[in-house]
Amino acid sequence: GIQVEQSPPDLILQEGANSTLRCNFSDSVNNLQWFHQNPWGQLINLFYIPSGTKQNGRLSATTVATERYSLLYISSSQTTDSGVYFCAVGSGGSYIPTFGRGTSLIVHP
Amino acid sequence: DAGVIQSPRHEVTEMGQEVTLRCKPISGHNSLFWYRQTMMRGLELLIYFNNNVPIDDSGMPEDRFSAKMPNASFSTLKIQPSEPRDSAVYFCASTQSLGNEQFFGPGTRLTVL
Repeated sequence: GIQVEQSPPDLILQEGANSTLRCNFSDSVNNLQWFHQNPWGQLINLFYIPSGTKQNGRLSATTVATERYSLLYISSSQTTDSGVYFCAVGSGGSYIPTFGRGTSLIVHP
Repeated sequence: DAGVIQSPRHEVTEMGQEVTLRCKPISGHNSLFWYRQTMMRGLELLIYFNNNVPIDDSGMPEDRFSAKMPNASFSTLKIQPSEPRDSAVYFCASTQSLGNEQFFGPGTRLTVL
């Protein structure tokens, strides 16, 4: 099956800093999502982005399917951005997403 | 619109007891997924349904686990008998159709003593 690798595994920021999270995958994709799991455990949809670029407020994402990676940008980070960010990728004939191990983000005030 | 609804939110039980977790997908969604999340193994897909039919249950850890979807608006995940190693957060998710954006419920935190 497809391999999904996220980097970095851990990230610590001061409030106001910018960051880039990366998701590499080993095969062509037919769907890709970014999720934020907040400190209370809820999985929140950020982007559904099998290709192209999307923006939502301080967050944006870009998927370059031909080069098999996706990036999540967080600008002017806030303490509420803390949590784990997951990339989930479906590929080939399977529409079932495979989750990466996540990037754990801590934003200090 | 209501999102994916799961109940109970927390369950504490003793080893050997039967546990039933419940899920109501988003109305109009045709695919439903059960996941388990632990620190050691991350998010694991247990089983998924399409149009109420189980498609792939290869992620179900053993025969103690079973899942049903009797209609488009309800699914259950049952563990019988439960064991301490089943302690985890169990998530239900739904999509309009396979390959579309997936939406997760709040999860059920299960503790088996």
